[in-house]
Amino acid sequence: NAGVMQNPRHLVRRRGQEARLRCSPMKGHSHVYWYRQLPEEGLKFMVYLQKENIIDESGMPKERFSAEFPKEGPSILRIQQVVRGDSAAYFCASSLSTGNTEAFFGQGTRLTVV
Amino acid sequence: DQQVKQNSPSLSVQEGRISILNCDYTNSMFDYFLWYKKYPAEGPTFLISISSIKDKNEDGRFTVFLNKSAKHLSLHIVPSQPGDSAVYFCAARGYSGGSNYKLTFGKGTLLTVNP
Repeated sequence: NAGVMQNPRHLVRRRGQEARLRCSPMKGHSHVYWYRQLPEEGLKFMVYLQKENIIDESGMPKERFSAEFPKEGPSILRIQQVVRGDSAAYFCASSLSTGNTEAFFGQGTRLTVV
Repeated sequence: DQQVKQNSPSLSVQEGRISILNCDYTNSMFDYFLWYKKYPAEGPTFLISISSIKDKNEDGRFTVFLNKSAKHLSLHIVPSQPGDSAVYFCAARGYSGGSNYKLTFGKGTLLTVNP
């Protein structure tokens, strides 16, 4: 049973380009969460999705960032017109349900904006 | 406003001794607490958790203690092993604003266990 799979592991983008980060949850998990870790910081919640629905995007910047979790395929975190401040590690987690259920994290995508 | 605080950025202990990692929180709506372990270039791995209705949870070498009145929890690792060297994140979850899924993380403590 594969864990949470994220790709790419490393992504380099020039300022102004688009970044697309992918996350395949654990088998059977229909709840996906995205977190961002800036240097020297803890992980910060960005968005919570279920299949075809955004449940909570309160942690996501209002502009340039979007997320989706289609009926088929992985969840995508999309960052348009990237800036240097977007450089961070982006982690995806999935869970079987909400509430007192542990979320399992992927290995993360390290985005570097040059 | 940091709701989960890990005030020690790093901790160094000798192999075989006890490691104690501390965490404080400010939000009284938190009712479930978790510890994650993270190696470099990997994602956080769940270690142990505790519900606010308990004050202790034990799993092998790992024990988490919760003091609700002080809004403080700690993770004890005994005996410590070199393989335990990693960054440890304290995280909390609660029904604040109706969300019981959102984890709030501390900044982490780097534990180094010396052979």
